[in-house]
Formats: sequence, structure tokens, C-alpha cells
Amino acid sequence: RKEVEQDPGPFNVPEGATVAFNCTYSNSASQSFFWYRQDCRKEPKLLMSVYSSGNEDGRFTAQLNRASQYISLLIRDSKLSDSATYLCVGSYSSASKIIFGSGTRLSIRP
Amino acid sequence: DTAVSQTPKYLVTQMGNDKSIKCEQNLGHDTMYWYKQDSKKFLKIMFSYNNKELIINETVPNRFSPKSPDKAHLNLHINSLELGDSAVYFCASTHTGAEAFFGQGTRLTVV
Repeated sequence: RKEVEQDPGPFNVPEGATVAFNCTYSNSASQSFFWYRQDCRKEPKLLMSVYSSGNEDGRFTAQLNRASQYISLLIRDSKLSDSATYLCVGSYSSASKIIFGSGTRLSIRP
Repeated sequence: DTAVSQTPKYLVTQMGNDKSIKCEQNLGHDTMYWYKQDSKKFLKIMFSYNNKELIINETVPNRFSPKSPDKAHLNLHINSLELGDSAVYFCASTHTGAEAFFGQGTRLTVV
């Protein structure tokens, strides 16, 4: 079983829609979680950190549920520029290890 | 001013050759990584170094040898290249437990 698992998609939604991604992790020793975004032929870049209390950054909301070992990302009012692959990430600081999920591909159509 | 830089960006080489990819970070981070992203786009950790010390070697063939001359550099040497080594290799760095910053990637093609 992969340490971080997410639905690969692809998700194809119209502009303005709300879309949600989910991710589960198997190692409860994971200490920090992030969502990254990767555009085609580019490196992954941090989208946002994920906290148990939930956090919001503009149209993006991330949530962590440690009891269920579950992470989510919600994108509201999606834009064409949101089209990318979204990667769920768990960090194990004691092991100097950052593990990526397989990524969920999102396409926003006009 | 690039935070994590890796060279070369593209590398085309024949089977059996030996090649190196270099990575440097100017962020003062203590941990550096090599990741491999294959054709299915899965980003898989290969190695991590903390303060020049190897922490993780994720069942990577011993044809791959990382070297960290100092905290700011982590190079990857690959011996006897095989077709299956074709992929994009990303270097990354982080302060332990914080987010990782990535280099632009090296697209390796073995022919």
C-alpha cells in the first residue's frame, strides 16, 4: 500500500465549478502535510500547507483529519489557470522524508 | 536568483554511459533530496541527505550514487545507464518538516 494515496483523476470540470480532492495516508508518523501543484513539464510548487484546524487561501481550502488519516483540498470558483496536477504530500521530519501522492489531474474547461 | 538549481536541464545519452546531474541550493536548507518522475508522472523519492549525511536510500539500484560535498550541494551520478532510467529527475531541499523547494528538473533520455 502506498504511503500517500490519492485519486488520479482526471477531473474535468467547467469554469466556476467547485472541485474537491481527497488524499489518505497510511503512516500516522507523518507530521506535516502539504498540497503541491505541478504544471506540465514543470517542477512541483507549494500550493499550501495543511493544518488540523483547516486553512484557507483565497479560493483554496485545505483540511487535515488526523483521526481518519485524510487530507482534502477544495477549490471554489475554479479558473482555467487552475488546470494542473495536484499532489498531496506527507512529511516525516524524523526520517527526513517527504512522500508524494501520485497526483490528481485537473482540467478546467471554458 | 534561483533557489534550487540543477544542471543539465536536458540529457540525452546512450545505454551503458555514465552521467552526472548536479544540484545546488542557496536557501540554507539542511536536507536535500533526489526524486524520479517516470512517464506515469509518479514522483518517487530516491535519496535524502541531511547535513551531508545519507538518510534515505529507497531501494535504488547501486548504479545510482549520490554525493553531497557540502550542505548546499547534492549531485547524482549514474553508471551504466539503462533505457528504464529515462525519466525526469528532480532535486529538492527543505528545512526538516517544512515544505520542499524543487529544481527545474533534468529530463534524462537514454537511447
